[in-house]
Amino acid sequence: QSALAQPASVSRSPGQSITISCTGTSSDVATYKYVSWYQQYPGKAPNLIIFEVNNRPSGISSRFSGSRSGNTASLTISGLQAEDEASYYCSSYSSNSIVVFGGGTKVTVL
Amino acid sequence: QVQLQESGPGLVKPSQTLSLTCNVFGDSISSGNFYWSWIRQPAGKGLEWIGRIHTSGSTKYNAALKSRVTISSDMSKNQFSLRLSSITAADTALYFCARYDFNNFDAFDIWGQGTMVIVSS
Repeated sequence: QSALAQPASVSRSPGQSITISCTGTSSDVATYKYVSWYQQYPGKAPNLIIFEVNNRPSGISSRFSGSRSGNTASLTISGLQAEDEASYYCSSYSSNSIVVFGGGTKVTVL
Repeated sequence: QVQLQESGPGLVKPSQTLSLTCNVFGDSISSGNFYWSWIRQPAGKGLEWIGRIHTSGSTKYNAALKSRVTISSDMSKNQFSLRLSSITAADTALYFCARYDFNNFDAFDIWGQGTMVIVSS
């Protein structure tokens, strides 16, 4: 069981928007701004797409955005494209200086 | 450009100790404020944080693995390592090393390509 809860899968058509939730606790998501999101293609290493809740690293499309409300963080992908078909993982800094991950969400572009 | 590269045996027998090394290229592991980390991913499953070593040498481990894990660094070789003892089939996974940059991102900004470890007799 993962420390952060994510939906296992989400499917949408191209051009639509999707929002992936990431639910934690007062020990992680609710307390620390250090929530990040990663995109992972099969057999590849994860790639950072959102850091500190809602910031994008250089080179990441503006179609990706992040937010947080209470103990739930969210990743929104707008204008869904075929290349967005991948797995997405949230992560948070947690008490006792550890890091926790979500179980991952597989995004399918119909 | 900083790059990380994992190395180690692809096959380990049950009850043995797994040893993996992460070579760091393009930066010194003794400089900056980074956590040099290990993360693993069983086939078809999610990411699991194993632990990290700070530039200063301090370590922190996943509580579920703490009794079996040791992460160390070798500044002279610019590498850090993972040792996981009493291996079982449940430790079969793709193992990644990654850099956690808590100056700029507070996130894992650089990852190795991963090395597959299979536990089998």
